Amino acid sequence: QSVLTQSPSVSAAPGRRVTISCSGGSSNIENNFVSWYQRLPGTAPQLLIYDNNRRPSGIPDRFSGSKSGTSATLAIAGLQTGDEADYYCATWDTTLSEMVFGGGTKLTVL
Amino acid sequence: DVQLLESGGGLVQPGGSLRLSCEASGFMFSSYAMSWVRQVPGKGLEWVAVVSGTGLTTYYADSVKGRFTISRDNSRNTQDLQMNSLRAEDTAVYYCAKHRGGYVYGMDVWGQGTTVTVSS
Repeated sequence: QSVLTQSPSVSAAPGRRVTISCSGGSSNIENNFVSWYQRLPGTAPQLLIYDNNRRPSGIPDRFSGSKSGTSATLAIAGLQTGDEADYYCATWDTTLSEMVFGGGTKLTVL
Repeated sequence: DVQLLESGGGLVQPGGSLRLSCEASGFMFSSYAMSWVRQVPGKGLEWVAVVSGTGLTTYYADSVKGRFTISRDNSRNTQDLQMNSLRAEDTAVYYCAKHRGGYVYGMDVWGQGTTVTVSS
């Protein structure tokens, strides 16, 4: 059982916009920075979003992040088949003194 | 180029030990916290442990506390994960990851992973 809750799967057609939510609490999301990771099949995770809404260099602006209270959201616009992957949110949990991950959301681009 | 290269994975019997290493290059190693993150086949990412840039602060997931020890050698740009009393549920791909700063920040560089299999 993950501390952060994500929907197991989401799907959308190419070109559409999809959002992936991540729900937590006051000891993690509300008071710490959220990051998002993409894990393409057979590859290491890649940082997509850090500090709630900032993109590392090289990440397209189709990917965006936001946070409100105890929830965070990753949005992907202009979906491409190459975006099919597992997406994970993560943040530090101040009570647990652990980095916590969401259970992951599998994105299917139909 | 910023790179992390893990080594040390393999097959080990339940109750055995294994030491993973991660060699870093291309950045000021001592300025960044470093973590180990694992992924059991078919499951999600699980954070394992973190060590601060100085090496003085460490934290562990409950699932490995008391069995795993994370450490780093800033003179050699390496970090290690000593894994003792291994269990079947520790079977996973283990990734070395660099934080963007301290341990509360996201992880911006990942190694390619090393596979640990715990089985008799």
